[in-house]
Amino acid sequence: DVKVTQSSRYLVKRTGEKVFLECVQDMDHENMFWYRQDPGLGLRLIYFSYDVKMKEKGDIPEGYSVSREKKERFSLILESASTNQTSMYLCASSLSYGGRGRGNTIYFGEGSWLTVV
Amino acid sequence: GENVEQHPSTLSVQEGDSAVIKCTYSDSASNYFPWYKQELGKRPQLIIDIRSNVGEKKDQRIAVTLNKTAKHFSLHITETQPEDSAVYFCAVEAAGNKLTFGGGTRVLVKP
Repeated sequence: DVKVTQSSRYLVKRTGEKVFLECVQDMDHENMFWYRQDPGLGLRLIYFSYDVKMKEKGDIPEGYSVSREKKERFSLILESASTNQTSMYLCASSLSYGGRGRGNTIYFGEGSWLTVV
Repeated sequence: GENVEQHPSTLSVQEGDSAVIKCTYSDSASNYFPWYKQELGKRPQLIIDIRSNVGEKKDQRIAVTLNKTAKHFSLHITETQPEDSAVYFCAVEAAGNKLTFGGGTRVLVKP
């Protein structure tokens, strides 16, 4: 069974703080993703990574950065947290079959609820 | 990039009735269309998916239909039960194996 683990479920941070959200998957997946979930807006992609040390911007990368030093670990970094980054953050992973339309199931973590005050 | 619109945003149905959720997308090159279910406080999980070489797919009480010409696909839940109450997300695979999601539909099944 695929397991995607997000180390922090609930965090409260102050404006301007640096925030790290950690994610680990145990299925040797090449692809890893960070999504943000807000009511009515669905899941919006922040960053994704195809391989170690590789990263690409998603649809809403502003104010975020990522790090992938090991295949199983993908970190989301908020360099200077702001109140509009209060949200639920979902990490996900998938195998990389290559080619569009191959249909890789994405497996999500439980989510990290971040409140910035 | 890909744009996915999902309707309705909320759906209330009587237990035993059917529920239908529709999504439209913009990129005609998209070929993979999954649906995820997210129960309260839990992670989204894949419930059914369809590829562009198929027009319809069924799995027990759920089915998905795809109209590539019109660029829309729908989730159908028959004989709804209380455990079907959840938020449902449609998604479309964009280039690079990444998914673009719709805004979600909150389904409430009333006993």
